[in-house]
Amino acid sequence: ETGVTQTPRHLVMGMTNKKSLKCEQHLGHNAMYWYKQSAKKPLELMFVYNFKEQTENNSVPSRFSPECPNSSHLFLHLHTLQPEDSALYLCASRHDEAGYTFGSGTRLTVV
Amino acid sequence: AQSVTQLDSQVPVFEEAPVELRCNYSSSVSVYLFWYVQYPNQGLQLLLKYLSGSTLVKGINGFEAEFNKSQTSFHLRKPSVHISDTAEYFCAVSKAAGNKLTFGGGTRVLVKP
Repeated sequence: ETGVTQTPRHLVMGMTNKKSLKCEQHLGHNAMYWYKQSAKKPLELMFVYNFKEQTENNSVPSRFSPECPNSSHLFLHLHTLQPEDSALYLCASRHDEAGYTFGSGTRLTVV
Repeated sequence: AQSVTQLDSQVPVFEEAPVELRCNYSSSVSVYLFWYVQYPNQGLQLLLKYLSGSTLVKGINGFEAEFNKSQTSFHLRKPSVHISDTAEYFCAVSKAAGNKLTFGGGTRVLVKP
């Protein structure tokens, strides 16, 4: 257990479904991130939140909608996804240069 | 912008043999460097990091890495690997005091008995 908890661990959804991924950390970190890990591609940064404010959107399609209600929780709302969105979605948190702590990820399959 | 290149996508190695995973980066500013390991069906775990100071960094599980500014490299080494070191290894860079990591493509290490 790293201190960053992601739920669910696995998710299968249809292209017309709406679902949400959840990330929670109680490490006192003030920055949180969503990364996408696809097969045979480098990890891609999706969103960055600092002190609950979104500071970066890395040209992510609008079918992915992040939400950060407080500094401990981060959500990724999903709707009308495509099969190519199937991937491992990783959440991370950070406090200064202490390093980034990653969760175990949500394995998403879009059918 | 920073970029990271991991020169080997796969590295097969026999148990108890040494291993070196290569990482080169490019950046116009000072950087912090990281190595992460990902075991099957898990997230990323920090192995070690270079922020400043000594260029030889020791991490967990017997791994170490050396920062070479002139060659813009941060290669990871272990003198004797175990079967349990089978995993994927990622090199990453961030701007010094920056707020995001840029990852290399990963190197898959397969340790054979």
